[in-house]
Parts: sequence; structure tokens; C-alpha cells
Amino acid sequence: GAVVSQHPSRVICKSGTSVKIECRSLDFQATTMFWYRQFPKQSLMLMATSNEGSKATYEQGVEKDKFLINHASLTLSTLTVTSAHPEDSSFYICSARDWTANGPLHFGNGTRLTVT
Amino acid sequence: SQELEQSPQSLIVQEGKNLTINCTSSKTLYGLYWYKQKYGEGLIFLMMLQKGGEEKSHEKITAKLDEKKQQSSLHITASQPSHAGIYLCGADGGGSNYKLTFGKGTLLTVNP
Repeated sequence: GAVVSQHPSRVICKSGTSVKIECRSLDFQATTMFWYRQFPKQSLMLMATSNEGSKATYEQGVEKDKFLINHASLTLSTLTVTSAHPEDSSFYICSARDWTANGPLHFGNGTRLTVT
Repeated sequence: SQELEQSPQSLIVQEGKNLTINCTSSKTLYGLYWYKQKYGEGLIFLMMLQKGGEEKSHEKITAKLDEKKQQSSLHITASQPSHAGIYLCGADGGGSNYKLTFGKGTLLTVNP
């Protein structure tokens, strides 16, 4: 079945630095990928839709300058958390769908970001 | 915007017992997806329902989408410790970009 790989699984960074998270579709091409954020004991909140070859679409309330998304190829989307602050600490998870198979969204294993 | 309410929020059952988790939408469901998540991990796809009245089963898990397409239920028969985790329902609002909105999840604990 479709596999989505996310890296790194955990990252700790200092306030003010930037962190890049990669999301890859391993056995299918994904023109669209989705980035979610999950707080403890809460549901997934959609942050943005990553579109291959064009600008990402951000949900209301998500700062596009803080959460930079790049979808440079049909199998790779990256989320960069810029000038990270402790309140950015969270679980970030990406997803993608294999449109040719008309299947569901498949999710990466997530990235636990801790900003100190 | 579409909202999904899951009930119960948490559930503790004895191994071997049956259980049901419900997901109610504030709007018509064009696609309803059930996922399972272990804490701190990704989501594992369980089932996808798209037609009113549709019912699907996989091993001991059965999911249904009601006729009016605003509610879904997930039923586990003879639960096992391996069923423990967070169950999330996700809804497709009918747009062309396939964004999913999720409920807050149901935390299932199965005691051996």
C-alpha cells in the first residue's frame, strides 16, 4: 500500500533557530500533501495544503512566514518552522493521497518538535 | 466549517468485550474515514465509507455510515489489547482538494 515517510521523527532545537521537516511519498506521486499539527490529547489541526510546483494554501490563523512549505517535486514536501519558539513545540504530521489508486489519505509517522 | 464530534472521548473495556465509537458530523458527509493512532505516532488507515448505508469490515472492526450520511459508527467485536489506541474519524467536506477534518478522537484502553 501507499507509504508516506516523514523525517526526522524527533527534533530538539533552540529558540530562534529553524527546523526543516521532510515528507516523502515513497511509492506514489503526490501533487498535493497536507500538513497537520496535533497538540496533546487534541485532534489534528490542518495547517496547510502543499501543492507541487505552486504556493501552499494555508488555513486561517496559520502564519505562512513562520511555517514555510515547499513542494519541489511530486514525492517531497518540506515544512520549515522558522525562528522557532517554545510554543511551536508540537507533533507535526504530513499526509498524502495516491490519486491514481483513488485511496484514502496516508500519513507519515509524525515529527515531535521540542523548542527549548 | 465542518465539525466532527466523537463519543465517547475515552473508553476502558475488558478484553473480549464489544464496543462502539460514534462520530457525528455537523454537515453531510461525502467521505468518512476511520484511522487509528498510537500516541506519538502516525495514523493508520482503517476504513473509508462514502455511500449512505455503507458498511465495511476488516477483521474484528466494522464501520457504518448512516443513511442520512451525517453519522458513522465503529464497532469492535471481542476486543483485544492490540485494539488499544486512539481512534479518529475524518471527514471529507466535498471539496476537490480532499482536505480532511478530524474529530478529537476516542482513546480506547483494553484491559487483559
